[in-house]
Amino acid sequence: ELKVEQNPLFLSMQEGKNYTIYCNYSTTSDRLYWYRQDPGKSLESLFVLLSNGAVKQEGRLMASLDTKARLSTLHITAAVHDLSATYFCAVDGDSNYQLIWGAGTKLIIKP
Amino acid sequence: DSGVTQTPKHLITATGQRVTLRCSPRSGDLSVYWYQQSLDQGLQFLIQYYNGEERAKGNILERFSAQQFPDLHSELNLSSLELGDSALYFCASSGDGGGVYEQYFGPGTRLTVT
Repeated sequence: ELKVEQNPLFLSMQEGKNYTIYCNYSTTSDRLYWYRQDPGKSLESLFVLLSNGAVKQEGRLMASLDTKARLSTLHITAAVHDLSATYFCAVDGDSNYQLIWGAGTKLIIKP
Repeated sequence: DSGVTQTPKHLITATGQRVTLRCSPRSGDLSVYWYQQSLDQGLQFLIQYYNGEERAKGNILERFSAQQFPDLHSELNLSSLELGDSALYFCASSGDGGGVYEQYFGPGTRLTVT
């Protein structure tokens, strides 16, 4: 069974701290996607990682992909309250065009 | 703004009723996906269409059906509604560009079944 596991599923942290969200997957996909969802809102694409060793950064968020370990990380540097959201990772399924989604990590950043 | 539109934004209906949710993909995107997200839950993939043809099916109930029309817009039909069908329903679209299947999400339709 194809699986995408995120951990932690819930994270409460203080502003200014660093933390990492992990995304493990069981497929042989070379591509991994990170999305952000604010409460009651839609999903917004953050990063698309296309190959082993890929690293992308946007502001205080940095995502990386290790296809050999089947692991992606989303690192948050010096967290600010505005980053509070649920973060989802997803990978390509075995069939074309379908993504397999993680359960999401709910991140709360306290001022 | 992702370029994906969904109507209506909100829908309140009674158990046993039937509703239709509508989605227009980004210009040029051939694939449309439907997802269900219950309160504080993850995304449940329902079904995918590509250029008018059903391509992949997820955990879609028999009471639910979808189609994609020649102009590429899609509709999700939910019938014999139950309280548990209350959820956010998202439509997403993607193109075929270079094998990257990044999905772009619409704003969602919030369905409340009373």
